[in-house]
Amino acid sequence: NAGVTQTPKFQVLKTGQSMTLQCAQDMNHEYMSWYRQDPGMGLRLIHYSVGAGITDQGEVPNGYNVSRSTTEDFPLRLLSAAPSQTSVYFCASSYSGAMNTEAFFGQGTRLTVV
Amino acid sequence: GESVGLHLPTLSVQEGDNSIINCAYSNSASDYFIWYKQESGKGPQFIIDIRSNMDKRQGQRVTVLLNKTVKHLSLQIAATQPGDSAVYFCAENGLIYNQGGKLIFGQGTELSVKP
Repeated sequence: NAGVTQTPKFQVLKTGQSMTLQCAQDMNHEYMSWYRQDPGMGLRLIHYSVGAGITDQGEVPNGYNVSRSTTEDFPLRLLSAAPSQTSVYFCASSYSGAMNTEAFFGQGTRLTVV
Repeated sequence: GESVGLHLPTLSVQEGDNSIINCAYSNSASDYFIWYKQESGKGPQFIIDIRSNMDKRQGQRVTVLLNKTVKHLSLQIAATQPGDSAVYFCAENGLIYNQGGKLIFGQGTELSVKP
């Protein structure tokens, strides 16, 4: 049971490049979400999904797109990377959309935009 | 607006002592609270949770206390060990959103254990 798997672990992008951060979970969780973590700050919610085909914006959605075609996968897309998107990105999944059960986190993707 | 905040950004304790990490929250509608531990270079790891119909919950060496009157949450770690050194986050589920809950994280407290 792998839990939540994120790829890649590290990535360097040039300003304006695009890329997709991958997230997969094997726990059959309905709820998945993406957070970014900046130095000295807590995790801020970017986008989330309460099930396949359903996504919504979190606290800091600008510059990011998501889709949820399957229960297992929830990729995060950066269409035109900016230095302000340099951060560590975490994907999480949870059994309940009401977020009243434990959320499991991946190991993170450290992204640098130069 | 709603927020989850921590009183102290850093905490240094002696090995073997008890640690107490505090957290304030502002969303009275939240009914679920979690403590996470994050070690350097890793994702947050679940420690313990508590629902709003409880005021105390104990785990292995950890206890979470919830005071709904003053909207305060605390994490107590007994007999702190060097392996407990990490950043600790409290989080609440913001149930004001119609789409369901969203985890709202506090800023984090860095716990440093001195041998």
